[in-house]
Amino acid sequence: NAGVMQNPRHLVRRRGQEARLRCSPMKGHSHVYWYRQLPEEGLKFMVYLQKENIIDESGMPKERFSAEFPKEGPSILRIQQVVRGDSAAYFCASSRDRFNEKLLFGSGTQLSVL
Amino acid sequence: AQKVTQAQTEISVVEKEDVTLDCVYETRDTTYYLFWYKQPPSGELVFLIRRNSFDEQNEISGRYSWNFQKSTSSFNFTITASQVVDSAVYFCALSANSGAGSYQLTFGKGTKLSVIP
Repeated sequence: NAGVMQNPRHLVRRRGQEARLRCSPMKGHSHVYWYRQLPEEGLKFMVYLQKENIIDESGMPKERFSAEFPKEGPSILRIQQVVRGDSAAYFCASSRDRFNEKLLFGSGTQLSVL
Repeated sequence: AQKVTQAQTEISVVEKEDVTLDCVYETRDTTYYLFWYKQPPSGELVFLIRRNSFDEQNEISGRYSWNFQKSTSSFNFTITASQVVDSAVYFCALSANSGAGSYQLTFGKGTKLSVIP
């Protein structure tokens, strides 16, 4: 009865490198959200995906960030050419439907950019 | 636009005291959902409760209880007989139709609760 699985738990990157964060939703959940937690800003919505579709990416920075949720495999949040300001905790959440009857979060990925 | 305000940034209580965490929300939607999450020092987000806007019944789960008052747009959380393990940051969140097809959560800034033995 695995919950929402995120990996890696910690990720260290140097400026300019790429970061790939993975999220496997709970079994039976086809709706995935990504949130970012910055120290002074709190938890902010980034993107909402259903299988193979991006539904709402209004919280995603316009450049360098992308997300996908393929038919097979985990959802991926990709950050290209990372900068120090990308250092944050990134959380994935999944639910069975878009009304989030029980929106469960993974343990998060702590990204540190050197 | 949706907004959640948790006016209490930090609270300290002595073990076994009761404590109430305040949450006030703003939305123009008539259908919305309210959540509470706990974030212990280990960092994960633990789901505590979800309430829909049509259900104003208060809820009790063990030492936890929630008071939903639509008239004051509040969804307060009370811990009875607090324990050291309750020490965490608690987030209140609101979910309503974003207009872009999602019911994304808008979080408050959180209340850090410290329970002193």
